[in-house]
Amino acid sequence: GIQVEQSPPDLILQEGANSTLRCNFSDSVNNLQWFHQNPWGQLINLFYIPSGTKQNGRLSATTVATERYSLLYISSSQTTDSGVYFCAVEYSGDYKLSFGAGTTVTVRA
Amino acid sequence: EPEVTQTPSHQVTQMGQEVILRCVPISNHLYFYWYRQILGQKVEFLVSFYNNEISEKSEIFDDQFSVERPDGSNFTLKIRSTKLEDSAMYFCASSKVGGETQYFGPGTRLLVL
Repeated sequence: GIQVEQSPPDLILQEGANSTLRCNFSDSVNNLQWFHQNPWGQLINLFYIPSGTKQNGRLSATTVATERYSLLYISSSQTTDSGVYFCAVEYSGDYKLSFGAGTTVTVRA
Repeated sequence: EPEVTQTPSHQVTQMGQEVILRCVPISNHLYFYWYRQILGQKVEFLVSFYNNEISEKSEIFDDQFSVERPDGSNFTLKIRSTKLEDSAMYFCASSKVGGETQYFGPGTRLLVL
């Protein structure tokens, strides 16, 4: 199956800092989504981004499909940004998402 | 904004008991999914469902698991005889069509004792 690798595994930020999370995948994908898992365990959909660039407030994402990676940018981080960020891809036309192991982000006040 | 809902939010059961986890997908969505996340691990696909039948299932989804859409709004996951290793967070998701954004519910945290 496809390999989805996220880096770094852990990230500690001071409030107001910017950061970049990376997702590498081993095969061509049809779908790529970024999620934020909050401390209550809920998976919040951030972006559907199989290619190109999107922005939503302080978050933006870029997927370079030909080079098999995606980046999630967090600007001016806030304590509410803390949690685990997951990248998930669908690659075989069967619509099932394969998740990476996540990046745990801790934003300190 | 429409969202996927799941009940119950938490369930504790004894090993060997049957549990049914319930989901209400977004109303105009046609594809439905179940995923699970064992504590501290990555989210894993269990099954997808379209047009009243299973379209894909993982090797985790063995004979102890079943899914059903009993009416026009609910989507259920049944575990026939729970095991300790079934303890996990179970997420339901839906998408309007296959390959588009999957929206996840808040999850049901299942604990098997």
